[in-house]
Amino acid sequence: KNQVEQSPQSLIILEGKNCTLQCNYTVSPFSNLRWYKQDTGRGPVSLTIMTFSENTKSNGRYTATLDADTKQSSLHITASQLSDSASYICVVSGMYNQGGKLIFGQGTELSVKP
Amino acid sequence: DVKVTQSSRYLVKRTGEKVFLECVQDMDHENMFWYRQDPGLGLRLIYFSYDVKMKEKGDIPEGYSVSREKKERFSLILESASTNQTSMYLCATLPRDRRLQETQYFGPGTRLLVL
Repeated sequence: KNQVEQSPQSLIILEGKNCTLQCNYTVSPFSNLRWYKQDTGRGPVSLTIMTFSENTKSNGRYTATLDADTKQSSLHITASQLSDSASYICVVSGMYNQGGKLIFGQGTELSVKP
Repeated sequence: DVKVTQSSRYLVKRTGEKVFLECVQDMDHENMFWYRQDPGLGLRLIYFSYDVKMKEKGDIPEGYSVSREKKERFSLILESASTNQTSMYLCATLPRDRRLQETQYFGPGTRLLVL
């Protein structure tokens, strides 16, 4: 059973537009949630990490939000650029005494067109 | 600024061959992980290690083994490669200290093709 669900699976937007990616999770107990960007053929790179007490965190044009009550997170990308084309992965961590396992969503494939 | 390296970016092996994938980190992190990534399935944990000579099975350990003889090095071994092990393999690290868990670093990945 997939405990981290992302939507949409894929998204195409025009350069300069904004977009929002969604992540719903059922992992419990919850420690933190990460958003990663993965370029084709490369390893994932962390964008943000939030604990259950944080509602929002920004990293440049990327803003992540977290609602720990509804177990939902979003990643908002402002003024998209061609270089934003990548897979965006939501990763939820259970409590650390679960061995440091991270539970990955399947990712949203974003394509930014000129 | 390189933090996590993997021995090969691309690898082609034949069915039945023994395959070694190496991961080396320079951040002194206690925890190291091996994942595989397949289209539509996301990243799945194969094995992880929380200390030297310690290892734990992940979600899909069948067909794999690991070795952690030194803190900085975590090896993934395919004893007898099969075609269903064709995949992208990613190594990652994480510090034990929760105060330092701002991120988890990934290696660049090894794309393995088993013929």
